[in-house]
Amino acid sequence: QVQLVESGGGLVKPGGSLRLSCAASGFTFRDYYMTWIRQAPGKGLEWLSHISSSGSTIHYADSVRGRFTISRDNAENSVYLQMNSLRDEDTAVYYCGRATTVTTLIDFWGQGTLVTVSS
Amino acid sequence: DIVMTQSPESLAVSLGERATINCKSSQYVLHSSNNKNYLAWYQQKVGQPPKLLIYWASTRESGVPDRFSGSGSGTDFTLTISSLQAEDVAVYYCQQYYTTPQTFGQGTKLEIK
Repeated sequence: QVQLVESGGGLVKPGGSLRLSCAASGFTFRDYYMTWIRQAPGKGLEWLSHISSSGSTIHYADSVRGRFTISRDNAENSVYLQMNSLRDEDTAVYYCGRATTVTTLIDFWGQGTLVTVSS
Repeated sequence: DIVMTQSPESLAVSLGERATINCKSSQYVLHSSNNKNYLAWYQQKVGQPPKLLIYWASTRESGVPDRFSGSGSGTDFTLTISSLQAEDVAVYYCQQYYTTPQTFGQGTKLEIK
């Protein structure tokens, strides 16, 4: 069955960095876009970034462009989110999602990892 | 960016009754190349990640009960639950995947009356 398992969350000080990982299984990873979405405590969903199946196409939300970097390793069936210059408002549960290649529709979500930015 | 606006923000419906959630996009999400609306609905239960219910505005994802249906086109969309069950208590989000950044509505909290 399809599984996406995020890791790497935790407590970090403002201005710090963190690298999230998402390990995929149960499907042909290299055939899908992968996406990062976050949800601040008690709030709605915010799309952050996605990366094409080959890694050649990447898009970011304005809120994270220049601070966050998405990447993937198709040999390891994993996608990553490098987060730099973290701010209080980056505190959220971070989800990775599988997205169909033709439409980039997110059709499956991981369980999420919590990132807390606080001094 | 395309702004997605849902209404109502919260909704209480009796078991077995119909629940209706609306979603309006600030721009058309109907693609002329395939005449499809790039609009999805997700269900998020407490403590769980979102789950895809509906895509192309009206196509049910595999395994989703047929009491869930989606309708609408262009900029106005609706999610209908025909006969509310206890397990449908959740927050529902609409989302456009027409363009990046993909954007979500603010969510509608559905409860039992």
